[in-house]
Amino acid sequence: GENVEQHPSTLSVQEGDSAVIKCTYSDSASNYFPWYKQELGKRPQLIIDIRSNVGEKKDQRIAVTLNKTAKHFSLHITETQPEDSAVYFCAASITGGFKTIFGAGTRLFVKA
Amino acid sequence: SAVISQKPSRDICQRGTSLTIQCQVDSQVTMMFWYRQQPGQSLTLIATANQGSEATYESGFVIDKFPISRPNLTFSTLTVSNMSPEDSSIYLCSGQQGQAEAFFGQGTRLTVV
Repeated sequence: GENVEQHPSTLSVQEGDSAVIKCTYSDSASNYFPWYKQELGKRPQLIIDIRSNVGEKKDQRIAVTLNKTAKHFSLHITETQPEDSAVYFCAASITGGFKTIFGAGTRLFVKA
Repeated sequence: SAVISQKPSRDICQRGTSLTIQCQVDSQVTMMFWYRQQPGQSLTLIATANQGSEATYESGFVIDKFPISRPNLTFSTLTVSNMSPEDSSIYLCSGQQGQAEAFFGQGTRLTVV
C-alpha cells in the first residue's frame, strides 16, 4: 500500500524566515496531495493541495511543489508568523479507493 | 466544504467495555473514513466506511474490535470493543467527495482506565 514519509519531524524558524517541509510517497498511482495544519487540540484543516497534473501551486504565503518523477512534494511557507506554529501533515490519496494516507507530521515552531 | 459533527468529544471508559462514536455530516458525501491519532502522532487509517456494506479495514485493524456502520451517505459509527488501555487515543472520522480533500470531525478523545 501507499507509504508517505515526511521530514523534518520538528522545525524551528525565526519569524519572517521561510519553512520547507518535504514528503515522498511510494505509490505512483497517487495523484492528489493535500497538506493539513493541526493546531493543538483541534482537528486537521486543509491549507493547500495539488494534483498530479500540476507542478506548483501557490496561495499567498504558502506554496506546494510536486515532482512526480521523483515522487516528492514539498510545502513552502514564506514570511512565517507565530500563528503558523502547528503540526503540518502531508498526505497522498490513492486512486480507486480514494483513501488519504498521512505522513508522520512536522511540528513547526515560529519564534517571535 | 461540508461539516461533520462527531460525538462524544471525550470519554473515560472502563476496560472491557465498548464505546460507540458517531459522526453526522451536514450533506451527503461519497466517502467516510475512520482514523486513530495517538497524542503527538500522525493519523492512522482504521477503515473505509462503506455505505450499505461492510467496512474495508486496513492492516492491523479488524471488524470484531472496530465494528463500523454506515447506513446512509451522511452518518457513520465506529465502536471500540472490549477496550483496553492501549485503545486510549483520539479517534477521528472524515468525509470526502471522491478524490478530494478530507474534512474531519472534531475528534473523540478516549481514555480507558
